[in-house]
Amino acid sequence: GAVVSQHPSWVICKSGTSVKIECRSLDFQATTMFWYRQFPKQSLMLMATSNEGSKATYEQGVEKDKFLINHASLTLSTLTVTSAHPEDSSFYICSAAAGATPGHNYGYTFGSGTRLTVV
Amino acid sequence: DAKTTQPPSMDCAEGRAANLPCNHSTISGNEYVYWYRQIHSQGPQYIIHGLKNNETNEMASLIITEDRKSSTLILPHATLRDTAVYYCIVRALLNQGGKLIFGQGTELSVKP
Repeated sequence: GAVVSQHPSWVICKSGTSVKIECRSLDFQATTMFWYRQFPKQSLMLMATSNEGSKATYEQGVEKDKFLINHASLTLSTLTVTSAHPEDSSFYICSAAAGATPGHNYGYTFGSGTRLTVV
Repeated sequence: DAKTTQPPSMDCAEGRAANLPCNHSTISGNEYVYWYRQIHSQGPQYIIHGLKNNETNEMASLIITEDRKSSTLILPHATLRDTAVYYCIVRALLNQGGKLIFGQGTELSVKP
């Protein structure tokens, strides 16, 4: 149980275009989802917290107009990188909180990540 | 900022126990200790968590000191597939504002 599906697993886009990444909780409802980015040889950096039906909360230094987050349902959150540039190339990972669902670990389950390359 | 301190790297012989330490001297009473690992180019995988008692599951054991200022993750019989970066994280429950903030972790290399 507690599976999070992230799509696509990799994407290459041209500079100036926008890219949407989807994160779905498959067997549980996730009122809260988190988005991270990870550069090579570095740790995960929390970008924002996404709550179903409300605006996302962004960490300091993360541009909310560049990284649009939508959490319209209890099983889906999306991250859109707008007007992408080469410096946005990174590994993006989502995470969903299973909360108090019986059988879950009250922890966060992570998606498999999306490798974004902007050329 | 991350609230934990871990050694940057460790080696372990295949079949032996891997003991990964973590210091969290500023842990609050409502914060749990979580361990995740990340195999290259994959999302982090949950391993185990605890509040104050030692915990064991099919993957590992978690030993938390009585003062809760440090903990040790134990992989009883490490295999080559356990080679990964291991993250120790402290956080409050989600309904208390808990977020997973990753530190630098420990890169564990299991060698034949």
